[in-house]
Amino acid sequence: DAGVIQSPRHEVTEMGQEVTLRCKPISGHDYLFWYRQTMMRGLELLIYFNNNVPIDDSGMPEDRFSAKMPNASFSTLKIQPSEPRDSAVYFCASSFSSGGTNYGYTFGSGTRLTVV
Amino acid sequence: GENVEQHPSTLSVQEGDSAVIKCTYSDSASNYFPWYKQELGKRPQLIIDIRSNVGEKKDQRIAVTLNKTAKHFSLHITETQPEDSAVYFCAAKGWGGGNKLTFGTGTQLKVEL
Repeated sequence: DAGVIQSPRHEVTEMGQEVTLRCKPISGHDYLFWYRQTMMRGLELLIYFNNNVPIDDSGMPEDRFSAKMPNASFSTLKIQPSEPRDSAVYFCASSFSSGGTNYGYTFGSGTRLTVV
Repeated sequence: GENVEQHPSTLSVQEGDSAVIKCTYSDSASNYFPWYKQELGKRPQLIIDIRSNVGEKKDQRIAVTLNKTAKHFSLHITETQPEDSAVYFCAAKGWGGGNKLTFGTGTQLKVEL
């Protein structure tokens, strides 16, 4: 398996533009997580899905952020309009549970977003 | 919800020495505790984990201990090497919340020659 695949690896955009980040989880994993990482705030959970259904989006900063998971192999995180304070590394991670046993996350390589 | 505290925030050791990173958690029902290593500019990677029915787990130079009574767990790295330099995150899986992990704030470990 190629692991969790994120695209793009780097994104530079102007304030006010729409940004879409993409993630392909590991096949067979039933959980998908979106995290944001900054020096000031560390790793922040934005939203997570279980079997393609959003379970907890309480970490989404505001209405400018939205996430979808139309099927088990694809998820997007969209920021519209983008602002300089959204600049960060965005990680997607996936994991699976079996018979009530939880397993650790596998993270993607991340998308480094810079909003100028 | 679960709350995880991690100490120290930075740790500097001489090559060959041991390093210990400690975490405490708040939810007594937490049952899964992974540790992640993140090298500069890279993704966090799972290096070891422990479940609540085990007190200690070891993998070569890395070990994790869990004290459920005190609600704390620790990462031990022996015979440290320069390639161990990275940020280390602890995490805990609390009651409910599906497979959601709560992460500590990270420890920057520097192994000096």
